[in-house]
Amino acid sequence: QVQLVQSGAEVRKPGASVMVSCKASGYTFTVYYMHWVRQAPGQGLEWMGWVNPNSGDTHYAQRFQGRITMTRDTSITTVYMEMSSLRSGDTAVYYCAKEGPVSGLHHWGQGTPVTVSS
Amino acid sequence: DIQMTQSPSTLSASVGDRVTITCRASQSISSWLAWYQQKPGKAPKILISKASTLETGVPSRFSGSGSGTEFTLTISSLQPADFATYYCQQYNTYPWTFGQGTKVEI
Repeated sequence: QVQLVQSGAEVRKPGASVMVSCKASGYTFTVYYMHWVRQAPGQGLEWMGWVNPNSGDTHYAQRFQGRITMTRDTSITTVYMEMSSLRSGDTAVYYCAKEGPVSGLHHWGQGTPVTVSS
Repeated sequence: DIQMTQSPSTLSASVGDRVTITCRASQSISSWLAWYQQKPGKAPKILISKASTLETGVPSRFSGSGSGTEFTLTISSLQPADFATYYCQQYNTYPWTFGQGTKVEI
């Protein structure tokens, strides 16, 4: 069965960077795009972008351009999301989510809480 | 960006009720719409894709309809497990965008 297992909770100071990982299993890693979605405390869902695990190509939401980098390591079927210049408004749970055959986000990781606080 | 507006924001209902949630897009998205269910402390779970296609394992009491700019999610007979927050999401155009969510409570 498809499983997406994310790295653990992180705490960072404003201005720092954070990298979250997402280990995929149970399917052919290179076939489906992997997306990242975040959710601030008590708020809704916000789409951040995707990485193509086959080519490494990426597409980011405009508001995150220049601050996020999504990468993948096909040898260990893992994708990464790195965010820099963190601010308090980036405090959220970050999810990786695998795109389905006809799109939509069909499988989700368990979420990684990231807290940005001085 | 395409704005997705859900109504209502909160819905109070009882077990056995028929429940309908509406999602409106600020421009046409054809049928490129998904619905998700999220319970507290958990990741979202996809219920419906392409506006009306029920995902594998999702109970048949859930159904979706609509195209263009108006969409609905219907739960035909609300069950205790259905008390959660529901989100619509368009994937017609980047950036993908979500509705603000509808909390279904007792």
